[in-house]
Amino acid sequence: LAKTTQPISMDSYEGQEVNITCSHNNIATNDYITWYQQFPSQGPRFIIQGYKTKVTNEVASLFIPADRKSSTLSLPRVSLSDTAVYYCLVGDAWGSTFIFGSGTRLSVKP
Amino acid sequence: DTEVTQTPKHLVMGMTNKKSLKCEQHMGHRAMYWYKQKAKKPPELMFVYSYEKLSINESVPSRFSPECPNSSLLNLHLHALQPEDSALYLCASSQREGGGNTIYFGEGSWLTVV
Repeated sequence: LAKTTQPISMDSYEGQEVNITCSHNNIATNDYITWYQQFPSQGPRFIIQGYKTKVTNEVASLFIPADRKSSTLSLPRVSLSDTAVYYCLVGDAWGSTFIFGSGTRLSVKP
Repeated sequence: DTEVTQTPKHLVMGMTNKKSLKCEQHMGHRAMYWYKQKAKKPPELMFVYSYEKLSINESVPSRFSPECPNSSLLNLHLHALQPEDSALYLCASSQREGGGNTIYFGEGSWLTVV
């Protein structure tokens, strides 16, 4: 199982772009990279998933370099409501175990 | 909005009680999970069910007993718990869709053992 490493915390201001990088040096060929957001007292919420290059949806972008040993979650123009813990998970297939790393606690200030 | 429903949202139980946490999903997913999360810590995997069969038990004490009655339901039976078992218990489900595997979480059940 690929282990992930993220910064413990990050601070930002409203309206800024935030980039959170995750390191996963022993990612396997079949592994996908998935990011989750978690607010206090709630279950983690799916943000975005990718395999390689760049993926974009209505809330975020995910950049994955060719070697796939890291990935970067990009949140455009954050607001106070984006204050949360962000987890990067690496996993594969059917019924595989998704192990959470320590996550990144993002604090957005006015 | 999550499509994984957990009940109850809050549960207080004594160390000699027997109680159950319930989880339901109607997304047709065939893998279901239990995670335990302590305050300010990441979720820790407890059990994984695939096609209603227990496939992974992460060395969880026997006072936690999972059950998967059918493909939509997942229970966690609790007996003789300790105060340190107090935590947020998260249920999740997943279905492989064209590659990759996204897990969808419920809102969790807060458990307090007194």
